[in-house]
Amino acid sequence: DTAVSQTPKYLVTQMGNDKSIKCEQNLGHDTMYWYKQDSKKFLKIMFSYNNKELIINETVPNRFSPKSPDKAHLNLHINSLELGDSAVYFCASSQRGEVGEQFFGPGTRLTVL
Amino acid sequence: GNSVTQMEGPVTLSEEAFLTINCTYTATGYPSLFWYVQYPGEGLQLLLKATKADDKGSNKGFEATYRKETTSFHLEKGSVQVSDSAVYFCALKAGAAGNKLTFGGGTRVLVKP
Repeated sequence: DTAVSQTPKYLVTQMGNDKSIKCEQNLGHDTMYWYKQDSKKFLKIMFSYNNKELIINETVPNRFSPKSPDKAHLNLHINSLELGDSAVYFCASSQRGEVGEQFFGPGTRLTVL
Repeated sequence: GNSVTQMEGPVTLSEEAFLTINCTYTATGYPSLFWYVQYPGEGLQLLLKATKADDKGSNKGFEATYRKETTSFHLEKGSVQVSDSAVYFCALKAGAAGNKLTFGGGTRVLVKP
């Protein structure tokens, strides 16, 4: 009965590769988010979707492309991976209008070698 | 713009000690304020919230009071346990129409037996 799930949990890859991270929520929420957490635990929002519509797109390189096939799923595709992309990526969801009450997934630790 | 400033950690204390984590904010309008907790290896969880001045949020023995005059939302717990070891994040949502959370840098707390 996992609320927000992400796959994979760990991802180790070489520079220049393309990879995807998947996120699914079974809470019936309308809004989903992607965050990046660096090694110092600083958390930065990357994208937000509301019912499959992009509503937040922070200053993220265009190598990062989110895709929301339906409101329960928000995937993150990263092209041409760079060393600086190494981080933990969190997916989260919330009910529409309840931005402050977000439910986070367990995170995906991406390591770029 | 909106911002949240937290005291830098790590904060190390003994079991049953009193914990305070300072949080101050800058925001336009009347923000809602939140504390999230991240246990090792997990995603963030909402700990407590306050939506207007003088509101007190509380949960699991933690409390925080929304102080508009000092733009602060300090987190306190009277007697910590080893299981409270985690990273704590203060966050704000700016105004009723805010569509994202702005997080502070996080404060790591380590409770020793």
